[in-house]
Amino acid sequence: KAGVTQTPRYLIKTRGQQVTLSCSPISGHRSVSWYQQTPGQGLQFLFEYFSETQRNKGNFPGRFSGRQFSNSRSEMNVSTLELGDSALYLCASSLEAGTNYGYTFGSGTRLTVV
Amino acid sequence: GEDVEQSLFLSVREGDSSVINCTYTDSSSTYLYWYKQEPGAGLQLLTYIFSNMDMKQDQRLTVLLNKKDKHLSLRIADTQTGDSAIYFCAESLYSSASKIIFGSGTRLSIRP
Repeated sequence: KAGVTQTPRYLIKTRGQQVTLSCSPISGHRSVSWYQQTPGQGLQFLFEYFSETQRNKGNFPGRFSGRQFSNSRSEMNVSTLELGDSALYLCASSLEAGTNYGYTFGSGTRLTVV
Repeated sequence: GEDVEQSLFLSVREGDSSVINCTYTDSSSTYLYWYKQEPGAGLQLLTYIFSNMDMKQDQRLTVLLNKKDKHLSLRIADTQTGDSAIYFCAESLYSSASKIIFGSGTRLSIRP
C-alpha cells in the first residue's frame, strides 16, 4: 500500500511569503503529525491532527498552522516566512491518535527561505 | 523536563555489532522508539518498546531498556554497509502520547 505522501518535495520561497505543504496519510490512518527538522534544533514536534481536530501543539509561533480534511489529508501553512524556517518538514501518520501503533513518516518537504 | 540524548557518531567495522545508546529524562515515557534516516529520506520506524519491557528482539535488532537508569540501547548484529544512516532514539509520554520527542541522532558509519 502507498506510504505517506508529501508534496512538494522541494520548495524555495522568499522571506515574507507564505507557504502551504501537503500530506496524504496512509489509507485508513486518521492521525497526522508534523515535525520540523533542522541541523541546529533537530526534530521538533509542530502539531497533530485527528479527525479534523488539532489534538496537540508544539512550541512554535502562530505563523505555523495546519488543518486536516475529512479524508485525513493534512496541510501545513507557514505565513510571513523567515530565514530560520528553512528546514525539512516531515509528516507522519498513524491509525489512531497517540502512538500505540507507531508513526509512519513521509520523505518530507525541504523548504528553503531566501 | 523532556530530553533525549545520544552520541553523535559511531564507526563500526562491517560484520561487527553496532550498539547505539540513548538516555532520556522523563520517567513517564510510554513507548521508546528507534528510527532510521537515510540521506534524503524520511524517518523509518525500526522498532519500539513499551516502557514496561526490558528487551525486544527483531531479527538483527535488539533493544534493551533500563528503566531505572533511563537508558535505551539498540544493537545491530552483523552490521552491513546498508545500515549506514542516522539513528534516532525517541520517546512518547503518558501526558502527551501523540508528541514524540527525538534525540539528536547518531550517525553510524561502516568501515570495511
